[in-house]
Amino acid sequence: DAGITQSPRHKVTETGTPVTLRCHQTENHRYMYWYRQDPGHGLRLIHYSYGVKDTDKGEVSDGYSVSRSKTEDFLLTLESATSSQTSVYFCAISDRASQETQYFGPGTRLLVL
Amino acid sequence: GENVEQHPSTLSVQEGDSAVIKCTYSDSASNYFPWYKQELGKRPQLIIDIRSNVGEKKDQRIAVTLNKTAKHFSLHITETQPEDSAVYFCAAIDSGTYKYIFGTGTRLKVLA
Repeated sequence: DAGITQSPRHKVTETGTPVTLRCHQTENHRYMYWYRQDPGHGLRLIHYSYGVKDTDKGEVSDGYSVSRSKTEDFLLTLESATSSQTSVYFCAISDRASQETQYFGPGTRLLVL
Repeated sequence: GENVEQHPSTLSVQEGDSAVIKCTYSDSASNYFPWYKQELGKRPQLIIDIRSNVGEKKDQRIAVTLNKTAKHFSLHITETQPEDSAVYFCAAIDSGTYKYIFGTGTRLKVLA
């Protein structure tokens, strides 16, 4: 597995609380991605980063924000968690944007009560 | 933008038989098509990929074929084994944004 870790791996939180998920890589890859995975929907892109402090929205970005202050770290924040954000969150990295494999982290299972 | 459809959503085969999973895409400029395998509770892992300048690629029991004219690509697994049981995802890259668009997944069950 590529050098990608995610923390926490599991989290239970209450509706309305902020939550931050962390993705850390040791591969020095330029591109980092946050996906959510839900039954029947596959993997959907939330936000991605193409460099330090350079981020853009994916297809399901509402209610989420991201930050990347260092090459190795990409943070995903749920500003005010809702039950619809209960999901498994995967971080991914790639060295280039085009024709390049994305490698996934181990995932974070989030339950919002 | 790119749209990817994947079929079937579930597939059961007898051990030793072949399995085929198909995906169609909409962006004719897409040029990279990876396939991922995800075991229960694990991360998606790349098993094979194909670029638009080739029509077929093989890796032992796994092969991928690409038909650019029809805009579809398929995963073929021969001599299936119980450890092939997993969810398989196809993906295509949107040529305008370089973002991956994933199919909704196929749950493959290999029956012993």
